[in-house]
Amino acid sequence: ETGVTQSPTHLIKTRGQQVTLRCSSQSGHNTVSWYQQALGQGPQFIFQYYREEENGRGNFPPRFSGLQFPNYSSELNVNALELDDSALYLCASSFVTGPLQETQYFGPGTRLLVL
Amino acid sequence: AQTVTQSQPEMSVQEAETVTLSCTYDTSESDYYLFWYKQPPSRQMILVIRQEAYKQQNATENRFSVNFQKAAKSFSLKISDSQLGDAAMYFCAYRSINNNDMRFGAGTRLTVKP
Repeated sequence: ETGVTQSPTHLIKTRGQQVTLRCSSQSGHNTVSWYQQALGQGPQFIFQYYREEENGRGNFPPRFSGLQFPNYSSELNVNALELDDSALYLCASSFVTGPLQETQYFGPGTRLLVL
Repeated sequence: AQTVTQSQPEMSVQEAETVTLSCTYDTSESDYYLFWYKQPPSRQMILVIRQEAYKQQNATENRFSVNFQKAAKSFSLKISDSQLGDAAMYFCAYRSINNNDMRFGAGTRLTVKP
């Protein structure tokens, strides 16, 4: 167990809906990254939050957005859901100080199914 | 852009034997980090081992060791004395020191036979 938790574990939505996924960081970590893992593939970087601001983004459209709270927990919001958004969503927390970023530790993921 | 390639979709090993998982990557950077993560059926990605590119010495964690060949851009994982609990998907990952984007390979599914 890494100390990173995510909720919910599973979620079913319909196309066009909006979804919010939550992540609680490991104690002592100040950065949260989100990844999308489609079935049978490796995770793809969505974005990272540091000090409550987006700190790097992968090749994902603006309908993927996030928040980081003062306690370093985080949310991933996806608007206008599409069928291809069905995937396992992973969050990972780490400690960043200046240019140094420590190893990322992952949560168990949220399985999202879009019908 | 950096890419990570795992050319073995599936591997199997007999319990107590040794297996090597391959990973190659493409980058123009000189300093970066490489990782092997394990993802069992429970889905939680677990860090196996980490290598800093500036370190010539290969990283080792108990039964897990890497063969890091910087010039060849190769980063293989060796699992010695394989155990049933080692069965999982293994992902190789690259992270630049200049950004926060961690790039993963497609994974290798390891089966351990009793």
